[in-house]
Amino acid sequence: GAVVSQHPSRVICKSGTSVKIECRSLDFQATTMFWYRQFPKQSLMLMATSNEGSKATYEQGVEKDKFLINHASLTLSTLTVTSAHPEDSSFYICSARDRTGSFTGELFFGEGSRLTVL
Amino acid sequence: QKEVEQDPGPLSVPEGAIVSLNCTYSNSAFQYFMWYRQYSRKGPELLMYTYSSGNKEDGRFTAQVDKSSKYISLFIRDSQPSDSATYLCAMIYSGGGADGLTFGKGTHLIIQP
Repeated sequence: GAVVSQHPSRVICKSGTSVKIECRSLDFQATTMFWYRQFPKQSLMLMATSNEGSKATYEQGVEKDKFLINHASLTLSTLTVTSAHPEDSSFYICSARDRTGSFTGELFFGEGSRLTVL
Repeated sequence: QKEVEQDPGPLSVPEGAIVSLNCTYSNSAFQYFMWYRQYSRKGPELLMYTYSSGNKEDGRFTAQVDKSSKYISLFIRDSQPSDSATYLCAMIYSGGGADGLTFGKGTHLIIQP
């Protein structure tokens, strides 16, 4: 199946610093990528939809200036958490939809990135 | 009321038992229904999907949708320890295109050897 690589898998940073997380589709082109946040025993919460070559669409309540998303190519999207605070600590997961896929509901997920802000 | 409700569990059953996982939803606009499986510290992977009321079978797994009751189920027969994972139901609107899926909280399933 299609592979989505997410890096880093785990990051610890100090409060006030910025952290960048990369999401790559390795063997397919993804015109659309999604960024989710997941708290323990909670559902995946969609943060934003990232379309290649255009600005990301953020869900209500997600600060676009804090969570910067860039989707510069058909295989790469990045999420930058700016001026991170302890409450930003979470599991961030990206997913991608294969542009040639027949079913729009099939998303390929990365392994996730666990962010801990001290 | 949340759009998708799913009991987070944990649900613990002995090996070989039949497992029933369920979700309810409130928005009748949902037309595609999916089950994703997520192992610990991994991203979810698509297990099954369906778009019509009724049953869809794939090996030991059966997905069931009842649109009139807004209720979906995933049955696992002859459960194995390797089935231990979190199972998330997910739904999407017809023509959902670039929109993301709406996920349930996920049910943590434990199959005891």
